[in-house]
Amino acid sequence: GAVVSQHPSWVICKSGTSVKIECRSLDFQATTMFWYRQFPKQSLMLMATSNEGSKATYEQGVEKDKFLINHASLTLSTLTVTSAHPEDSSFYICSAYGQHNEKLFFGSGTQLSVL
Amino acid sequence: QKEVEQDPGPLSVPEGAIVSLNCTYSNSAFQYFMWYRQYSRKGPELLMYTYSSGNKEDGRFTAQVDKSSKYISLFIRDSQPSDSATYLCAMSASFNKFYFGSGTKLNVKP
Repeated sequence: GAVVSQHPSWVICKSGTSVKIECRSLDFQATTMFWYRQFPKQSLMLMATSNEGSKATYEQGVEKDKFLINHASLTLSTLTVTSAHPEDSSFYICSAYGQHNEKLFFGSGTQLSVL
Repeated sequence: QKEVEQDPGPLSVPEGAIVSLNCTYSNSAFQYFMWYRQYSRKGPELLMYTYSSGNKEDGRFTAQVDKSSKYISLFIRDSQPSDSATYLCAMSASFNKFYFGSGTKLNVKP
């Protein structure tokens, strides 16, 4: 199956710093990428949808100035958590969809811990 | 009412048992159906993908879609301890938005 690579797998940062998470589709062109947040023992919570070359669409309640999403190419999307605070600590997962494979593939996730 | 309903479990079965996982949904426009397996602190892994109604089999896994009842199932035959994970159903009408079940936690006991 298609591969979506997400880095880093885990990151620990100090409060007030910014963290960037990368999501790459390795063997297909991802026209759409999604970013999720997942709390322990809970399902995926969609944060935003990004289409290549256009601004991301954020779900209600998600601060777009705090969670910056860039989808500059058909194989790369980034999520930057700006001025991170302990309440931003969570598991973040990206997924990617390509028009030619009609399936949604996920990255391996990033565990963010803000001290 | 949620778009997709899934029993959170946990579901505990002995090794070798047949496992049945299910989701119901309310939107008749859904036509793409997927099952994912997620291990703790990992991203979901696509197990099965089905378009519209019918059955699909892949090894020990069988996915069924009954659009008339708005009900999908995943069967796991000869379950193994390595199948212990959370199983998520997902569906979409047009691939611009996906709807997920809450996940069923499965524990296969050796």
